[in-house]
Order: sequence, then structure tokens, then C-alpha cells
Amino acid sequence: EDQVTQSPEALRLQEGESSSLNCSYTVSGLRGLFWYRQDPGKGPEFLFTLYSAGEEKEKERLKATLTKKESFLHITAPKPEDSATYLCAVQGETQGGSEKLVFGKGMKLTVNP
Amino acid sequence: DGGITQSPKYLFRKEGQNVTLSCEQNLNHDAMYWYRQDPGQGLRLIYYSQIVNDFQKGDIAEGYSVSREKKESFPLTVTSAQKNPTAFYLCASSTVGRETQYFGPGTRLLVL
Repeated sequence: EDQVTQSPEALRLQEGESSSLNCSYTVSGLRGLFWYRQDPGKGPEFLFTLYSAGEEKEKERLKATLTKKESFLHITAPKPEDSATYLCAVQGETQGGSEKLVFGKGMKLTVNP
Repeated sequence: DGGITQSPKYLFRKEGQNVTLSCEQNLNHDAMYWYRQDPGQGLRLIYYSQIVNDFQKGDIAEGYSVSREKKESFPLTVTSAQKNPTAFYLCASSTVGRETQYFGPGTRLLVL
């Protein structure tokens, strides 16, 4: 069974204090790993898709990396507006045609000014 | 603007009542999904559809039903058989294949 574990569950940073969020996964044949940002009471907003080990993607202060067992979301010099819950999800080899994503529980980031 | 809309934003259900959540997309995506989100848990798949007039159960389909009569629409009915319906419901869509799923704004269902 595909599984995703995110750590830490919550993280508090001071503005400008860089850090990394971890997403560990077990999946039978990775087809894609996805990062989303979710603000309270809203739907997840897509950030990145990573397909193979060694791949990296960047967007503003965020950088996502992928190995065969985990992904990291690096946040450089965060600002208070980066405060949100960050979700990680994997898509494994399809079973009966499903495009199902398996999600972790999320990581709540708070950036204090 | 292309996107996914969900309505209503808040929905209240009485005991024994069926309620329907709306999901519409104008992204021309073939696949649509319904997820349930509870505090402290990851999103869980309720139902998905990859083509009009066809849909499959996800991990937690009991107490829910769906239809897919149009490519743009994928409504979810929460039936009276669902004993713990209070949650945040999210609709998503994607192209079929190894593609990203895009989410709507969500509907919060509360029980009176």
C-alpha cells in the first residue's frame, strides 16, 4: 500500500529563517510526487510536480527536490505570507486505471514577522 | 478564467437528509475526483471519474453517490447512510494520465 509521511507536523520560523520540510514515501512505481499549499478554509493550490529522482523545481522562495525515498521542500528566507499548510502526495502505478493520489497529513508552517 | 467551482461554500445537513455538493470545471479535463478532508488526516478519495457516464469508488465511498452526465460536472451526494458526514469536501480535476490534479475551493458540510 502506498504511504506518505510528512515531518514535522508543524513548524514555526522567524521571517528570513530558512528550513526544509520532509516528505517520505513508499510507493509501487512512482509516477509523480506533488506538492500543494493550502490556506485555512481553502482548496489546495498546486506548487510542484516531480517525476524522477534527482529532479528539482523552484518557484520564488520554494525549491522541491526528489530522491527515491523522499522529497524535500526547501524554503529560503521565508516571509509571513508563506504561512500555510503544505501537502505532499504521490501517484503510484495505476491499479485498474486509477489516477489516485495518496496524501500525507500535511505540515503547518507559521512564519513570524 | 479557467478553473473549478464548488457550491455551496457551506452546507448544513439534517438527520436523515441527503444533500448534494456541486462541482463544475471549465478546464476541459476528462478526469474528476472527490476527496474528503478531516482535521489531522490526509485527503481521502471518495469517488473518481475518468470519462462521462463512468465512475469508480475510491477508498471511502460508503454513504456517498456520484453521477457524471456531463464532462464539466461531477456532483457528489452525501446520503443519510453516511453517519459522520461533517468534513471539508474537495473536488479536483486533471487530464487523464500522469498529470497534476487541480482543486476547487471546497465545501464545508456541517450536521445540524
